[in-house]
Amino acid sequence: DIQMTQSPSSLSASVGDRVTITCRASQDINDALAWFQQKPGKAPESLIYGASSLESGVPSRFSGSGSGAEFSLTISSLQPEDSATFYCQQYKSYPLTFGGGTKVEIK
Amino acid sequence: EVQLVESGGSLVQPGGSLRLSCAVSGFTFSDHYMDWVRQAPGKGLEWVGRSRNKGNSYTTEYAASVRGRFTISRDDSNDSLDLQMISVQTGDTAVYYCARVTATRAHYHMDVWGKGTTVTVSS
Repeated sequence: DIQMTQSPSSLSASVGDRVTITCRASQDINDALAWFQQKPGKAPESLIYGASSLESGVPSRFSGSGSGAEFSLTISSLQPEDSATFYCQQYKSYPLTFGGGTKVEIK
Repeated sequence: EVQLVESGGSLVQPGGSLRLSCAVSGFTFSDHYMDWVRQAPGKGLEWVGRSRNKGNSYTTEYAASVRGRFTISRDDSNDSLDLQMISVQTGDTAVYYCARVTATRAHYHMDVWGKGTTVTVSS
């Protein structure tokens, strides 16, 4: 199975800050990587697929980059509504696997 | 509007069975693969399994933790996806989400999620 490791596990930042979350795969997954946002008590929402393509309706302050085994999710200007847990997921091979999550809090 | 609505979650005893359903609307269900993903209390997301579409012979994939106990099926005529769970264990306690899978440039990615249904396995 492909292991997905996210860092940091949590962070606290101020409104307007640039925030970056890293996701590392245990092997090369090309660009078969997605990012999801989950707010407390809510279902996950899809943000990015193909490592860098935004899902429909996702604000442009979110961006993804990387390929191979190293990926990142960047929020260019953190907003209050971005307080959530973010997960990466690989879909290169079965079983599909998620990272452990990064909790983003607003200072 | 694209909607996925899960149902069927409840309290079930260890060793028991349960059937979850996901009713969809707002898109052509038969065109899409569909996934089940679960989340144990206070934990992260865990992929459970996938149902491919008719064009891919309705084949399925499962996580090792549920293979042989869970079965995914679909009814394209009724726009519904099911998850049959047997021999449930306390470790199956979770919120279960169904998610639509969309193919874009050969990327099969989950793009829409339901709100989830809660399964509690306890005696």
